[in-house]
This record gives sequence, structure tokens and C-alpha cells, in this order.
Amino acid sequence: DAKTTQPNSMESNEEEPVHLPCNHSTISGTDYIHWYRQLPSQGPEYVIHGLTSNVNNRMASLAIAEDRKSSTLILHRATLRDAAVYYCILRGHTGKLIFGQGTTLQVKP
Amino acid sequence: NAGVTQTPKFQVLKTGQSMTLQCAQDMNHEYMSWYRQDPGMGLRLIHYSVGAGITDQGEVPNGYNVSRSTTEDFPLRLLLAAPSQTSVYFCASSGDRGGTGELFFGEGSRLTVL
Repeated sequence: DAKTTQPNSMESNEEEPVHLPCNHSTISGTDYIHWYRQLPSQGPEYVIHGLTSNVNNRMASLAIAEDRKSSTLILHRATLRDAAVYYCILRGHTGKLIFGQGTTLQVKP
Repeated sequence: NAGVTQTPKFQVLKTGQSMTLQCAQDMNHEYMSWYRQDPGMGLRLIHYSVGAGITDQGEVPNGYNVSRSTTEDFPLRLLLAAPSQTSVYFCASSGDRGGTGELFFGEGSRLTVL
């Protein structure tokens, strides 16, 4: 299973955009890039996913590099409720989702 | 539409006891999986299933059994509980077997083995 690499932690100020990076240099052609987040004392929550093209939804945007070896999750205006652990995961044809350690996002008022 | 339902939410066991964590989904999802999360750690995949009658091992399958007799249910069995199995367990399901669908998670079951 291909692995992802994320920074352990990041800080952001409230109301500012946040760019969370993820490297996945061993991604295969059929792997989808998924992002989940986990708020304290809760289960993981789906954020967004994509294959090749950039994706937008009501929660965030996903920017995928042209060679697909990296991606960036963009939160357009961080709020205090966005403080969480963000996981970048590759999901392939087996359907398995293998979580890494994720990035802990701290949002400062 | 309840989504993914896990029971029980809390359980305390003694070493050597057995129990089953229940997971049910009402979304007709083919893919289901079990994770455990230890304090301060990420989630680790225990077992997963891509459809009724089909199960496979994840990263940390030892000490756990699963079966998938129906699309809706995916129980996780601990046959001889050990303190190392103290953890929070999450069940998740997805509408497709491959990479396209999002996973829906249950609220978790907190297990303590004394």
C-alpha cells in the first residue's frame, strides 16, 4: 500500500486560509487521494477526495499536483471548529484505507 | 437513515473474556472495516470486507475475528481479551469496493481490558 507523508503539526490564525500538504510519491494510477479529519473525542469525518483534477466542496478544496505525487488540502477560512487531526490517505482498488499519523491543525483566535 | 451504528459504546472486560463488538449500517454499503485507535495514535486497520461472505486482514488482525454473513452487519470478535486490546474501536463503511467512495464512520466503542 502506498504511503503518505504529512507534517506532524501546523498552526493557523482564525479566518485565514490553511494549506495542508501531503506527499505521496509512490501513488499508483488507480489510487484516489482521500482526506479525513478527526475532531477531539470523535470518529473520523470525510472531507474530500480526488483522482487527478482539483476538487471543491462545501468544506474544502483539494489541489492535486500534475504528477499526482503531492496534494494540498485547502481550508479557505479556518475557524476554531476546524482544529483537528487531518489525514491524507490513498485508497486503491482493494478499498482499504490505511491511516498515517496525520497533521494536527491548531487554529488560533 | 441511521448510518453506521456501533454497540456497545463502552465495555469493560477482564483478561481472557470474550466479546463481540457490533457494527451495522443501513446504507446498503458493500465495503465495511474495523479500526482501532490507541491514545494519541492514528487509526489502524484490523479487518475489512468488500461484501457479504468476503473478509480480509488489515494491519493488526491478530486477536480478532470477523465474519460478514449479511451486507448490513460486520461484527468484530475478541476471543481471549488482553490488556493490549484496550482501545477505541471504529467501524466504517463505504458504498463501493474501490477508491472512489467516502467512508462513513461510527461513533466508536471504547473497550477496557483489565
